[in-house]
Amino acid sequence: EPEVTQTPSHQVTQMGQEVILRCVPISNHLYFYWYRQILGQKVEFLVSFYNNEISEKSEIFDDQFSVERPDGSNFTLKIRSTKLEDSAMYFCASNKAGVPYNEQFFGPGTRLTVL
Amino acid sequence: DQQVKQNSPSLSVQEGRISILNCDYTNSMFDYFLWYKKYPAEGPTFLISISSIKDKNEDGRFTVFLNKSAKHLSLHIVPSQPGDSAVYFCAAIPNQAGTALIFGKGTTLSVSS
Repeated sequence: EPEVTQTPSHQVTQMGQEVILRCVPISNHLYFYWYRQILGQKVEFLVSFYNNEISEKSEIFDDQFSVERPDGSNFTLKIRSTKLEDSAMYFCASNKAGVPYNEQFFGPGTRLTVL
Repeated sequence: DQQVKQNSPSLSVQEGRISILNCDYTNSMFDYFLWYKKYPAEGPTFLISISSIKDKNEDGRFTVFLNKSAKHLSLHIVPSQPGDSAVYFCAAIPNQAGTALIFGKGTTLSVSS
């Protein structure tokens, strides 16, 4: 069964460094998302991406964040200058276009630790 | 601003019994609701959903009930199994494709044998 994959599973970085989190969505999906979950808190939406552009973003997704689909399979989240409070699990998700209300399929997540 | 609320952080149930997980929402624009299950070190896994035009949806041992007037939904698991032990998230989505899921804080279900 197709699934969303994410790399790396765990990323440790120093405060102020740039990180890139990678995702491979399910191949026939056209909507892509990033969510995060700070330890002990709820899953929070960051950004959605469709047709090579951001379709929606939350107030968390400030100028330090960017997303890109560099090729036909990868979807990346970049944090330019990490802060301690960026430490969280980051989940990528995808779903089909043209089928409203379809469930989003999540990857296993990347645990980002900022020291 | 909690648009989706799961007021019970945890629930313990014996194997074979019914588990009832509750969720309340405040935004009347929500048109579709989903339940996700999450095991440690894994991403959320879709479980079951319901459209606002229905009041019940059933899939095997899982049934979701929606009460629009009360802005309340619940997930029933019958019979509960030890493998059901996980964190259950209620999520909502407005009437639009490609829109963010808004999650509750989750309820940790423990099913003992």
